[in-house]
Amino acid sequence: GQQVMQIPQYQHVQEGEDFTTYCNSSTTLSNIQWYKQRPGGHPVFLIQLVKSGEVKKQKRLTFQFGEAKKNSSLHITATQTTDVGTYFCAARGSTLGRLYFGRGTQLTVWP
Amino acid sequence: DSGVTQTPKHLITATGQRVTLRCSPRSGDLSVYWYQQSLDQGLQFLIQYYNGEERAKGNILERFSAQQFPDLHSELNLSSLELGDSALYFCASRVSGEWGEQFFGPGTRLTVL
Repeated sequence: GQQVMQIPQYQHVQEGEDFTTYCNSSTTLSNIQWYKQRPGGHPVFLIQLVKSGEVKKQKRLTFQFGEAKKNSSLHITATQTTDVGTYFCAARGSTLGRLYFGRGTQLTVWP
Repeated sequence: DSGVTQTPKHLITATGQRVTLRCSPRSGDLSVYWYQQSLDQGLQFLIQYYNGEERAKGNILERFSAQQFPDLHSELNLSSLELGDSALYFCASRVSGEWGEQFFGPGTRLTVL
């Protein structure tokens, strides 16, 4: 099945610092999704990337899909305490509708 | 609030027992997905149903089974429970069976003692 590796597993930053998480695959991805899970919560969809080299922004969040469609990143500028949580990338499987989730990056923000 | 409901919120049971987790998808969503989230395995896809029929199977053990009923709610049955089955079980739904945004429920935390 589709495997996506996500790094780092943990990231601790001071409020105001930037944060980046990376998602990599050995095979070409048709598209990729990003989810956020707050502590004690459930995954919530953030965005979907489809095109090679695609860049999408949501306020302080910037999502990129690599030119070869084998990697993706999520960058948060000037983190806030509300950004705390685990960020997951998810890749489409060969079976319709199935998602393969990365292990996630757990972000802690110190005030 | 995603519109997906799951019951119960917490479940504590003993090894060897059988439990049923319930999920009601968002109104109008035909597809239901079940996931298991544990500390060592991350978020693992178990199974998908679309309009009452099994659509895709993932890392689901033979001791586990699921079904989707005509009213589109779904149940995940876990039997002969082991300590290692302790985890968060999420259900997600979306309108179609194709690839796209999934809406997750709040989860059921299962503890096997």
